[in-house]
Amino acid sequence: SQQGEEDPQALSIQEGENATMNCSYKTSINNLQWYRQNSGRGLVHLILIRSNEREKHSGRLRVTLDTSKKSSSLLITASRAADTASYFCATGASGGSNYKLTFGKGTLLTVNP
Amino acid sequence: DTAVSQTPKYLVTQMGNDKSIKCEQNLGHDTMYWYKQDSKKFLKIMFSYNNKELIINETVPNRFSPKSPDKAHLNLHINSLELGDSAVYFCASSPLGPGTEAFFGQGTRLTVV
Repeated sequence: SQQGEEDPQALSIQEGENATMNCSYKTSINNLQWYRQNSGRGLVHLILIRSNEREKHSGRLRVTLDTSKKSSSLLITASRAADTASYFCATGASGGSNYKLTFGKGTLLTVNP
Repeated sequence: DTAVSQTPKYLVTQMGNDKSIKCEQNLGHDTMYWYKQDSKKFLKIMFSYNNKELIINETVPNRFSPKSPDKAHLNLHINSLELGDSAVYFCASSPLGPGTEAFFGQGTRLTVV
């Protein structure tokens, strides 16, 4: 069954604005990751946050994790046209049948110049 | 140097044919995966291998058979192709085991006609 659900499904903003995407999941996790996929390309790992962490930063990216609500958010600050892509959250678990990464459906972000 | 490489990038074939997709990673990772991305961009794991050993097989029809001759290679063979197999197939690998950061190939767009 699908683990992560991103929200919104699509987001259109102007260059320079901030973009916030949310992800909810259902089961226990070891970590939560965010990936970017440009059109026609493979996924690129952006950031990983462990289940015992609440916030993490990487450049213009800020990720939060609330394990009590089983949710995460990805904030991209000062967006650029080059940030236009689909963004996926993925939950990582280990052990037994959960030894894998499970992806959500993604948020399509369009940054207009 | 391409870290995770898949061949071919595009594959168009008729129903009923058998085809293979090859994947190689030069990152020294022990864990490799095959994912299927459908027309709605939903990514679903198909198989996960750790050090050449199959650890996840996600209710994939047995027409799909992965083969890992060594830990740097994970090939996907598909028998009796069906229209519903049309999708983009991604190979990926992880350095720290399943459920951790994954590095993706560029994808193979399979079209069954």
